[in-house]
Amino acid sequence: SQTIHQWPATLVQPVGSPLSLECTVEGTSNPNLYWYRQAAGRGLQLLFYSVGIGQISSEVPQNLSASRPQDRQFILSSKKLLLSDSGFYLCAWSVNSLLTDTQYFGPGTRLTVL
Amino acid sequence: AQKITQTQPGMFVQEKEAVTLDCTYDTSDPSYGLFWYKQPSSGEMIFLIYQGSYDQQNATEGRYSLNFQKARKSANLVISASQLGDSAMYFCAMREGGNQFYFGTGTSLTVIP
Repeated sequence: SQTIHQWPATLVQPVGSPLSLECTVEGTSNPNLYWYRQAAGRGLQLLFYSVGIGQISSEVPQNLSASRPQDRQFILSSKKLLLSDSGFYLCAWSVNSLLTDTQYFGPGTRLTVL
Repeated sequence: AQKITQTQPGMFVQEKEAVTLDCTYDTSDPSYGLFWYKQPSSGEMIFLIYQGSYDQQNATEGRYSLNFQKARKSANLVISASQLGDSAMYFCAMREGGNQFYFGTGTSLTVIP
């Protein structure tokens, strides 16, 4: 069966510090991968998605970046965090291109920027 | 324009009663999929139910059913026999021909004992 992991689960970082969040998927090949951010009490904002190694689509211009160095690994990074980067970050995967296939989400990372 | 609209920020329902959570969508693509997710306070997103644009019948999964009205572009979630564990945020989402999912802003459901 497929599983998706995210770490760390919780992170408190000072403004201006770097960020690296990691997401890995097991039990599937060539998944679509997604990074979302959810502000407190709000909906999901799509940040990046990837359909393959090295292929990243950015949905929102900001100080965040994403990379996919391996088929089942997706990394969210920042060189300098802003206060507005605080939120709940969710990684998700789906099978390529089938309308019937849902997204499966990881447990999320709660990021607080102070 | 918003792809997915959820107009109920918060809903209350008595335990054992049924509740309907509203969702309308906007697309010109004839092929699309509609999804509902549940997000408990722990934060995980749990897939509940799926409806395809060409499906003739409303989708059902246990106590969850989707009231799909294509002409009105609505895909409301119906939860029957509400339980205390149903208290959570509920998100409606749509997938069109590409790889993106569009989410609504969510509805917070509280089940009252």
